[in-house]
Amino acid sequence: DQQVKQNSPSLSVQEGRISILNCDYTNSMFDYFLWYKKYPAEGPTFLISISSIKDKNEDGRFTVFLNKSAKHLSLHIVPSQPGDSAVYFCAAKSCVRFGAGTRLTVKP
Amino acid sequence: GAGVSQSPSNKVTEKGKDVELRCDPISGHTALYWYRQSLGQGLEFLIYFQGNSAPDKSGLPSDRFSAERTGGSVSTLTIQRTQQEDSAVYLCASSSRGVNNEQFFGPGTRLTVL
Repeated sequence: DQQVKQNSPSLSVQEGRISILNCDYTNSMFDYFLWYKKYPAEGPTFLISISSIKDKNEDGRFTVFLNKSAKHLSLHIVPSQPGDSAVYFCAAKSCVRFGAGTRLTVKP
Repeated sequence: GAGVSQSPSNKVTEKGKDVELRCDPISGHTALYWYRQSLGQGLEFLIYFQGNSAPDKSGLPSDRFSAERTGGSVSTLTIQRTQQEDSAVYLCASSSRGVNNEQFFGPGTRLTVL
């Protein structure tokens, strides 16, 4: 069963524009959500997280929004940079389940 | 400080052989996770160790897969009688028991079953 879903396998945006990556989950018991970024041939690295007691968490160019009623979270990157090109995974705690990932390509 | 390390980085084996993959977590991290990423797929959860508790094995795809964590530190993932569909990158992660629960990933072991 796929409790965490990323329905967009890829996304392409222009440098300087906003990137919005979406994630949906089905388990209402999840209380902590994380985004990871993965470059080719490397392990994923932690990017940003949000607790279910919040609906927004911002860190520099990265903001994660959580809509608990919709069981939906999104990662906003603004402005997008070519170095942001990677695969982004969302994850939900506990017994962490990952989405399939969204490949973001930022064109210069 | 040292991060999560995995060995070997690459493993090529013949169908039907057994393989062992090793993970050295960050010192002091009580939680250890195994995932795999098949070509074109997302990260698939395999197994989770937390301290001395019984591991969560719910992600293991078959009884050919098993994992141990000795002394609460190093972990070994064993795949018996490997099949071609086992070919993937196997990732290990560890985390401390804290509010953040951020996982730190190793570089992975690329397993190719011929």
